[in-house]
Amino acid sequence: QQQVKQSPQSLIVQKGGISIINCAYENTAFDYFPWYQQFPGKGPALLIAIRPDVSEKKEGRFTISFNKSAKQFSLHIMDSQPGDSATYFCAASSPSNDYKLSFGAGTTVTVRA
Amino acid sequence: DTAVSQTPKYLVTQMGNDKSIKCEQNLGHDTMYWYKQDSKKFLKIMFSYNNKELIINETVPNRFSPKSPDKAHLNLHINSLELGDSAVYFCASSQDLIKKQYFGPGTRLTVT
Repeated sequence: QQQVKQSPQSLIVQKGGISIINCAYENTAFDYFPWYQQFPGKGPALLIAIRPDVSEKKEGRFTISFNKSAKQFSLHIMDSQPGDSATYFCAASSPSNDYKLSFGAGTTVTVRA
Repeated sequence: DTAVSQTPKYLVTQMGNDKSIKCEQNLGHDTMYWYKQDSKKFLKIMFSYNNKELIINETVPNRFSPKSPDKAHLNLHINSLELGDSAVYFCASSQDLIKKQYFGPGTRLTVT
């Protein structure tokens, strides 16, 4: 049973556009929400992460929005570039299970030039 | 100066064989992990070790046995390989359980 539900499965965006990926969770014990970026043939790499005491975190063109009451969080990629084409995974963890990362199913983003 | 390295990168073997995947990290981290990524790219944790002690052991068949000879190494041994074991296996490490995880490049295991 997947503890973190991620959508969409894939998306195509034009260069310069905004990519939006959404995740939802049920476990209110989750207190750490990272996003990982994975290029083909490579391991995932941490992109940005947020804790539930803030509603938004921005790093460059990447922004996480967090809605604690709705138990949802999302990744916005502004001014999307072809180099952003990758698979993005949201994840969540809680101290009650040794901070084990539960991953969403992934979203494949394709940025068209 | 690779942070987390795995060998081999590709592994093709027949059903019933026993194989090992090696992982080494040079980051001085205390915690290491094994993940399985299936053909649909779904990532799932298998094991984690903290200071050579097993912390997380997911519902993984006992044909899979992790071995941590020291804090810098976490190897994965798989007995009696099955077709369903075909996947990409990632090793990862972090400073401790709550810190950022660094993933290795993965080992693509194909069981025929």
